[in-house]
Amino acid sequence: DAGVTQSPTHLIKTRGQQVTLRCSPKSGHDTVSWYQQALGQGPQFIFQYYEEEERQRGNFPDRFSGHQFPNYSSELNVNALLLGDSALYLCASSVEGNTEAFFGQGTRLTVV
Amino acid sequence: RKEVEQDPGPFNVPEGATVAFNCTYSNSASQSFFWYRQDCRKEPKLLMSVYSSGNEDGRFTAQLNRASQYISLLIRDSKLSDSATYLCVVTTRGGGFQKLVFGTGTRLLVSP
Repeated sequence: DAGVTQSPTHLIKTRGQQVTLRCSPKSGHDTVSWYQQALGQGPQFIFQYYEEEERQRGNFPDRFSGHQFPNYSSELNVNALLLGDSALYLCASSVEGNTEAFFGQGTRLTVV
Repeated sequence: RKEVEQDPGPFNVPEGATVAFNCTYSNSASQSFFWYRQDCRKEPKLLMSVYSSGNEDGRFTAQLNRASQYISLLIRDSKLSDSATYLCVVTTRGGGFQKLVFGTGTRLLVSP
């Protein structure tokens, strides 16, 4: 049983570009949450998807958007990249109503 | 004020030592509590849940004090392999669902 998988694992982008990160949840999980982890900080909640809808957003601008597909996989899109968007982006999957979350290995984004 | 506060460390201890980490949270409505472990450049992994009655898993003991909004983790007989960052995590409910709120993490270095 594959756990949570994210792609790509590493990415380098230029300021102003756009990026799409992908996440496949653990088998049987229907909820996907995205987190941003800057160096030396804990993960910060970006948003959560359930039933293909965004349920709540953390303190992130509209440049951050996402999508969930019928197979529960999810994408995180970031437009107009800034240097400060450089971070480890983590996807966590869970079952609706269950607080236990499993994390993917993350995508390390570097904006230059 | 951050929702979850931890001493970032690092805590430098010799093998065999006992070390304790503390964490405070600000939202009295927080419902579930966890310690996650994160190795360098890896994803967070659930170490243990935390209950008011206290819980123990081998060398690890976690405790929750709801009145003081305080969470602790005790590691006995430290091993080199315990070197990692320990993240204190609480869940908060909003819009009918729960999200994870992380502290910045406490770094532990166990030396021979």
